[in-house]
Amino acid sequence: KQEVTQIPAALSVPEGENLVLNCSFTDSAIYNLQWFRQDPGKGLTSLLLIQSSQREQTSGRLNASLDKSSGRSTLYIAASQPGDSATYLCAVPYNNNDMRFGAGTRLTVKP
Amino acid sequence: NAGVTQTPKFRVLKTGQSMTLLCAQDMNHEYMYWYRQDPGMGLRLIHYSVGEGTTAKGEVPDGYNVSRLKKQNFLLGLESAAPSQTSVYFCASSYIGTAGELFFGEGSRLTVL
Repeated sequence: KQEVTQIPAALSVPEGENLVLNCSFTDSAIYNLQWFRQDPGKGLTSLLLIQSSQREQTSGRLNASLDKSSGRSTLYIAASQPGDSATYLCAVPYNNNDMRFGAGTRLTVKP
Repeated sequence: NAGVTQTPKFRVLKTGQSMTLLCAQDMNHEYMYWYRQDPGMGLRLIHYSVGEGTTAKGEVPDGYNVSRLKKQNFLLGLESAAPSQTSVYFCASSYIGTAGELFFGEGSRLTVL
């Protein structure tokens, strides 16, 4: 059974700091991994989708890496801003038509 | 630029009442999903559809029914609401299922008293 874990559960950093969010999964037979952002009371917004054949994906100040063999992915946020404050979730496909989501990391960037 | 739209956004029901949540997407996606999000449980799949006229059960389907009569709409029904169905419900859609990007609606917060 696929289990997805995100550490830490919460993170508070000062503005401008570079930070790394972690995601681990138990079954390495995945074909992609997605990182999402969720603002309070809102839906999930897809940030990055990494295919299993890729090791990295970048979008602006965000960089996501994937290491299938070790069952890990990281989301790197450069030069954090207060507007980056949100919950970040990772998810992997499961059983063809389902996704397994992590519980998320709640990020607070203080001005 | 609507994407995935859910209605209603908030609803309070009494135990035993019925209701329907509507999800509409304007991206011509084949795949549509209903998830529920609960504290400590994360997101769990209720039902999904791989195309117009098709539906299938997800991880937690009991107490819910769905229909996909039109490609752009995916309805989630509660025939007899129970307090355990108090949750935030999210609809999502995708062009190529879980092999591609998932687009989510803003959520529908349901409280069953």
